[in-house]
Amino acid sequence: KAGVTQTPRYLIKTRGQQVTLSCSPISGHRSVSWYQQTPGQGLQFLFEYFSETQRNKGNFPGRFSGRQFSNSRSEMNVSTLELGDSALYLCASSPGTGAPAEEQYFGPGTRLTVT
Amino acid sequence: DQQVKQNSPSLSVQEGRISILNCDYTNSMFDYFLWYKKYPAEGPTFLISISSIKDKNEDGRFTVFLNKSAKHLSLHIVPSQPGDSAVYFCAASANTGNQFYFGTGTSLTVIP
Repeated sequence: KAGVTQTPRYLIKTRGQQVTLSCSPISGHRSVSWYQQTPGQGLQFLFEYFSETQRNKGNFPGRFSGRQFSNSRSEMNVSTLELGDSALYLCASSPGTGAPAEEQYFGPGTRLTVT
Repeated sequence: DQQVKQNSPSLSVQEGRISILNCDYTNSMFDYFLWYKKYPAEGPTFLISISSIKDKNEDGRFTVFLNKSAKHLSLHIVPSQPGDSAVYFCAASANTGNQFYFGTGTSLTVIP
């Protein structure tokens, strides 16, 4: 089975712009979660999508949004970029069986740099 | 507010010795805990988990211990191998779907 893929792997944007990141989960997985990783902050949970619906949401401003398509692929959008949004954005998929705390499979991440 | 904390940013151990990585949490609602390992330029990979109904879970060289009263868990790696050198993250969940809270990570270096 192919793993979780994320595109693009690297991105440079300017303050004020918006950006869209893409994630393709492992085939058959229905849950997709997004995390932001910054030095000293670890992985911060952004949101989780399951069957095209946002199921959980972390404590991030409304500039961060996402969606999931019927094939479980997910996109994350950040509008009005700020310097502090520079980070590694990780996507993780899991089967979505309903079992508590399912093991998540992470993609390699998208490195976003905001200048 | 960091609900899961890993207070040691780095740890070095000799090959063959025990590595002990620590993690503390503040939310008493957490009932599942996981450890992930991350190599540079790769996403984290799952290592081992434990639910709050247990105090120990073992998988080969890896053992996780949970002390609920102290809100503390630890990962023991015995014996440590150079290939174990990576950043280790602990994560916790309150059984609300797949919303996990991660620590800031501990960089483990195993010296041959």
